[in-house]
Amino acid sequence: AQKVTQAQTEISVVEKEDVTLDCVYETRDTTYYLFWYKQPPSGELVFLIRRNSFDEQNEISGRYSWNFQKSTSSFNFTITASQVVDSAVYFCALSVPWDSGSARQLTFGSGTQLTVLP
Amino acid sequence: DSGVTQTPKHLITATGQRVTLRCSPRSGDLSVYWYQQSLDQGLQFLIQYYNGEERAKGNILERFSAQQFPDLHSELNLSSLELGDSALYFCASSAPLSGGAPDTQYFGPGTRLTVL
Repeated sequence: AQKVTQAQTEISVVEKEDVTLDCVYETRDTTYYLFWYKQPPSGELVFLIRRNSFDEQNEISGRYSWNFQKSTSSFNFTITASQVVDSAVYFCALSVPWDSGSARQLTFGSGTQLTVLP
Repeated sequence: DSGVTQTPKHLITATGQRVTLRCSPRSGDLSVYWYQQSLDQGLQFLIQYYNGEERAKGNILERFSAQQFPDLHSELNLSSLELGDSALYFCASSAPLSGGAPDTQYFGPGTRLTVL
């Protein structure tokens, strides 16, 4: 069974501050995928990033960066110079693949509510 | 816009009633997943279909059922509704016929169900 833990329930920062959202996962599978999704106040779930278990390279996309460390089973997400529009709930998730064709269901963490104050 | 569509956006109904939620996956995606998001349970997987066949079941109640049609759209049927079924129901799709990452799920905007 898989488990994803997001220990930070709520984080509040002032605009332009950097903020890191933590994610710790558990799985016995050697091949797995990790994801971050954003849920803004409007409610939809927006895909941000996918990382597979064989790729430990960190990734940067604009103000967003992700730090994947298999040694600590963590996949943390950092927003640099936060903006009010970053206010949302952020979910970390994990899935393991079927043998072929499709992915199994996502196991989500409980989410972190990020509030960026002007 | 993820390319996944869900209707209706909002649904208000009474206890004991039956409703149907509809999902159209992204063009070319073969897998459809249903998730329920409630305040107390978070995001929970309900069921997955792949190319018309049921692939996996999660925490789906017996009062709930789903199917995926030949055109790959899916419906989630909820019956004998209870107050506790009030939630946001998401559909996601993945596994394109060609190209792309089969493991990335793209979510629709959700259907907010309120049971009174």
